[in-house]
Amino acid sequence: QSVLTQPPSVSAAPGQKVTISCSGSSSNIGNNYVSWYQQLPGTAPKLLIYDNNKRPSGIPDRFSGSKSGTSVTLGITGLQTGDEADYYCGTWDSSLSAWVFGGGTKLTVL
Amino acid sequence: EVQLVESGGGLVQPGGSLRLSCSASGFNFNNYAMHWVRQAPGKGLEYVSGISINGGSTYYPESVKGRFTISRDNSKNTLYLQKSSLRTEDTAIYYCVKGGVYATDEIDNWGQGTLVTVSA
Repeated sequence: QSVLTQPPSVSAAPGQKVTISCSGSSSNIGNNYVSWYQQLPGTAPKLLIYDNNKRPSGIPDRFSGSKSGTSVTLGITGLQTGDEADYYCGTWDSSLSAWVFGGGTKLTVL
Repeated sequence: EVQLVESGGGLVQPGGSLRLSCSASGFNFNNYAMHWVRQAPGKGLEYVSGISINGGSTYYPESVKGRFTISRDNSKNTLYLQKSSLRTEDTAIYYCVKGGVYATDEIDNWGQGTLVTVSA
């Protein structure tokens, strides 16, 4: 049982937009910055979004992040088959004094 | 370019011990918190431990507290994870990850991981 809650899977057609939600509590998302990670099959995770809505250099602006209270959302527009991956949200939990992650969301581009 | 190279994984019996190492390059290792994150086969990401810049503060989830010890040697740009009393549920790919100045800052770079299998 993960501390952060994500839907197990989402799907959409190429070119469409998809959103992935991640919910937590005041001890984690509510009072700390959230990151999103993309894990392509057979590879290590890669930072996609940090500080709730910032993109590292090299990440296209098709990827965006937003936060409201104790929930965050990852948005992906102009879906490509290469976006098929597992997506994880993560943040520091001030009560646990540890990083916590969502259970991951598998994106399928139909 | 940031590079994190893990080593030390392998097959170990339940109750046994193992030490993982992570060699870091491409950044000033002394200036960043470091962490270990694991992923069991077919499962999600799980935080294992973290350590502050000078090693003065360490962080563990309840699942590994008392069994795992994280440490670092800034003179060698190397991160370690000493694991003892291993259980079958500790079987996973262990990733070395780079944090920010503080342990609460984003985890921004991941190694390729080293597989640890705990089995009789």
